[in-house]
Amino acid sequence: GENVEQHPSTLSVQEGDSAVIKCTYSDSASNYFPWYKQELGKGPQLIIDIRSNVGEKKDQRIAVTLNKTAKHFSLHITETQPEDSAVYFCAASRSGNAGNMLTFGGGTRLMVKP
Amino acid sequence: DTAVSQTPKYLVTQMGNDKSIKCEQNLGHDTMYWYKQDSKKFLKIMFSYNNKELIINETVPNRFSPKSPDKAHLNLHINSLELGDSAVYFCASSQAPLTYNEQFFGPGTRLTVL
Repeated sequence: GENVEQHPSTLSVQEGDSAVIKCTYSDSASNYFPWYKQELGKGPQLIIDIRSNVGEKKDQRIAVTLNKTAKHFSLHITETQPEDSAVYFCAASRSGNAGNMLTFGGGTRLMVKP
Repeated sequence: DTAVSQTPKYLVTQMGNDKSIKCEQNLGHDTMYWYKQDSKKFLKIMFSYNNKELIINETVPNRFSPKSPDKAHLNLHINSLELGDSAVYFCASSQAPLTYNEQFFGPGTRLTVL
């Protein structure tokens, strides 16, 4: 089955700095890579995703890059703000698997210091 | 509000008891999920239902029995609770059991087994 590893487990940045979270996956057939943000006491929420037919996707201060050859993908947050503080999860999935099954990474706790 | 809701939010019980967690979504989605998040924040799928039919069962002990009375509801019943069942349980839904379909998570139920 798929295995997703995520680094770092914790990340502390100063407000305004950039933050980068990296994930690797094991199943070369995986073709969908969403990122979820989980705020304290809440359920995860999708913030951005990327499909395997593109190498990069941006949405305002958030971007995701994908390297299929190396089987890794990364989340980039620029101009971080205190409200970006949360736990971020990467995930992987592939077409044809039963029921849209996501395999999640272990999570990264991002702390943005004002 | 359109959302995925879960009850109860907190559940404290003794080992050996039987308990249920309820989930409802009013997003009109066909597919619902149960996830378990352990104390280290690791998020793992347990079950998925599509139109009331089980499509994913990730080697969960048979003490856990999901039930979907209709496609808007997916309840989780747990028999003979064990200490290791302590975790946060998230319900989620998506429009269809297909890759690329965003999963919407509920707020979670924190289960503590004493």
